[in-house]
Amino acid sequence: SQQGEEDPQALSIQEGENATMNCSYKTSINNLQWYRQNSGRGLVHLILIRSNEREKHSGRLRVTLDTSKKSSSLLITASRAADTASYFCATDGTGGFKTIFGAGTRLFVKA
Amino acid sequence: DTEVTQTPKHLVMGMTNKKSLKCEQHMGHRAMYWYKQKAKKPPELMFVYSYEKLSINESVPSRFSPECPNSSLLNLHLHALQPEDSALYLCASTRTGGMNIQYFGAGTRLSVL
Repeated sequence: SQQGEEDPQALSIQEGENATMNCSYKTSINNLQWYRQNSGRGLVHLILIRSNEREKHSGRLRVTLDTSKKSSSLLITASRAADTASYFCATDGTGGFKTIFGAGTRLFVKA
Repeated sequence: DTEVTQTPKHLVMGMTNKKSLKCEQHMGHRAMYWYKQKAKKPPELMFVYSYEKLSINESVPSRFSPECPNSSLLNLHLHALQPEDSALYLCASTRTGGMNIQYFGAGTRLSVL
């Protein structure tokens, strides 16, 4: 089964609003990453948070990590139409090489 | 150069055809990955090569055959595919193995008729 589960599955907001996506995972991790995927394209790395970090910022992105609850959230502030995409959390599986992606949240930002 | 290049962008093949997907990176990354992605689903790991050696095969059917001729190049040879193999095939690379940042190609959209 997937390591990461994300909610909501889909999110529709107006431009300028904030978007929050959540990710839960099942086993211990070293790192958690968030990726964005525009329709039918490759994934683009957004941000990495290590297991000993609680919060990280990058531009309009804020990621939190709660290892006690095995959950993470991605906040996009002041959203833009160009933020319309699918967002995936990704955790490291056993052996180090295996990255397991959550089910993803499809974000639609209306202009 | 932070680019992973995949060719072709689109591929249509019959169930008796043999075709190959190609992936190339020039970032000096030593781990390369193949993923399969169905519509509205996350990428599913197929194969991982580390230092040109196959390190992970996620029980992928033998009709998919990976090859890593050198540290910059990764191929996926396709033979006798089924219609359910139609998907977006993504290649990725990382600096080394482990939970490093993955750089993805734009993918090959494969349709099996």
